[in-house]
Amino acid sequence: NAGVTQTPKFRVLKTGQSMTLLCAQDMNHEYMYWYRQDPGMGLRLIHYSVGEGTTAKGEVPDGYNVSRLKKQNFLLGLESAAPSQTSVYFCASSYSTSVGFYEQYFGPGTRLTVT
Amino acid sequence: GQQLNQSPQSMFIQEGEDVSMNCTSSSIFNTWLWYKQDPGEGPVLLIALYKAGELTSNGRLTAQFGITRKDSFLNISASIPSDVGIYFCAGQGAGGTSYGKLTFGQGTILTVHP
Repeated sequence: NAGVTQTPKFRVLKTGQSMTLLCAQDMNHEYMYWYRQDPGMGLRLIHYSVGEGTTAKGEVPDGYNVSRLKKQNFLLGLESAAPSQTSVYFCASSYSTSVGFYEQYFGPGTRLTVT
Repeated sequence: GQQLNQSPQSMFIQEGEDVSMNCTSSSIFNTWLWYKQDPGEGPVLLIALYKAGELTSNGRLTAQFGITRKDSFLNISASIPSDVGIYFCAGQGAGGTSYGKLTFGQGTILTVHP
């Protein structure tokens, strides 16, 4: 099992360019999440998905779009990159247990720099 | 949105010392979690706490879920060099509509000197 994988690992964009980050999981998890990590701020939820074909906004969704066309993949898009989107992006997936706990498994991250 | 305040922000300790860090919230959580992040990697779950007052250990790590459900602490005993990393607390709301969403603290950067 590869777990959660993210592509690419690093990327540099110019302001206004667009790109898509890919997250893939092979654990058959229903739930998937995109976070961004900035120094001193922990991880903040951008968007999440509770199943194939469904997405919802998290804490900081502005400037991002997502799609979950297949259960194993969750894509994060930046239509017009801004320097404020320079960050490390983490994808996670989880399942729900009988006690209502969701253990999230994280990918290795994508480091994005917008100049 | 919900805020978690984690302290201290950083710690520099000698190998063998004990470490303590804590997290407080303005809101109630149903589950408290502690994660560790190594450089260049994603967070990995260390301990999960499900009930107010619960005290749970995982090797040299001990964590407690506060009685008020608004706080938690993590202790690491007899630290070793591989304990170096960033430690995050995270709170998870009730099952149902929370869908496992996590609210993270700001992180504690731990440095261990041999």
